[in-house]
Amino acid sequence: EVQLVQSGAEVKKPGESLKISCKGSGYGFSSYWIGWVRQMPGKGLEWMGIIYPGDSNTRYSPSFQGQVTFSADKSISSAYLQWSSLKASDTAMYYCARFGGSTFSHHYFDYWGQGTLVTVSS
Amino acid sequence: QSVLTQPPSVSAAPGQKVTISCSGSSSNVGNNYVSWYQHLPGTAPKLLIYDNNERPSGIPDRFSGSKSGTSATLGITGLQTGDEADYYCGTWDSSLGAGVFGGGTKLTVL
Repeated sequence: EVQLVQSGAEVKKPGESLKISCKGSGYGFSSYWIGWVRQMPGKGLEWMGIIYPGDSNTRYSPSFQGQVTFSADKSISSAYLQWSSLKASDTAMYYCARFGGSTFSHHYFDYWGQGTLVTVSS
Repeated sequence: QSVLTQPPSVSAAPGQKVTISCSGSSSNVGNNYVSWYQHLPGTAPKLLIYDNNERPSGIPDRFSGSKSGTSATLGITGLQTGDEADYYCGTWDSSLGAGVFGGGTKLTVL
């Protein structure tokens, strides 16, 4: 069974750093892109970017380029989303998801993590 | 403001049919495949349709997808109260070099 399990909720202050995780199981983790999706309170889904754990190749949405960093450790089937200096506007639910398509054109996320709620408040 | 345009809300009675549209451009919907997701509050989004009209295993045939030009449509027949959720379309945008989602549509089953 394919599963993506994310790390728990975080409460941070503005300016702090944070790294959240997404651990895959039940499939060849290195061979599928992992995407990150943001949902701010009361808003819709936003595509942040994707990372290929096999070689850590990344594609960032222009809206998130330079704001966050993706990484992966294929040896432990985990992907990470990192901030160096959080802002209040980073408060959101963050989902990881497995990219199921054979090419970028065949875009879909077939399995999703349960989400990690990040709250940034002074 | 989302690259893909969806109606903010739709509604229909139990047992009826509803369609949700997703409008884009040649750089996204027009030349790439569309997927659809159901998002219930407090849960992870669920893939309903991929490659414009394919259903993953376990998704009932009450859900269907289609695409024409730069627009895609999700259809849901035999509406149930359990279908009340937010629905999102998604695709790749070749100009952005990134994926995009629609703004989401809230379905109310009256």
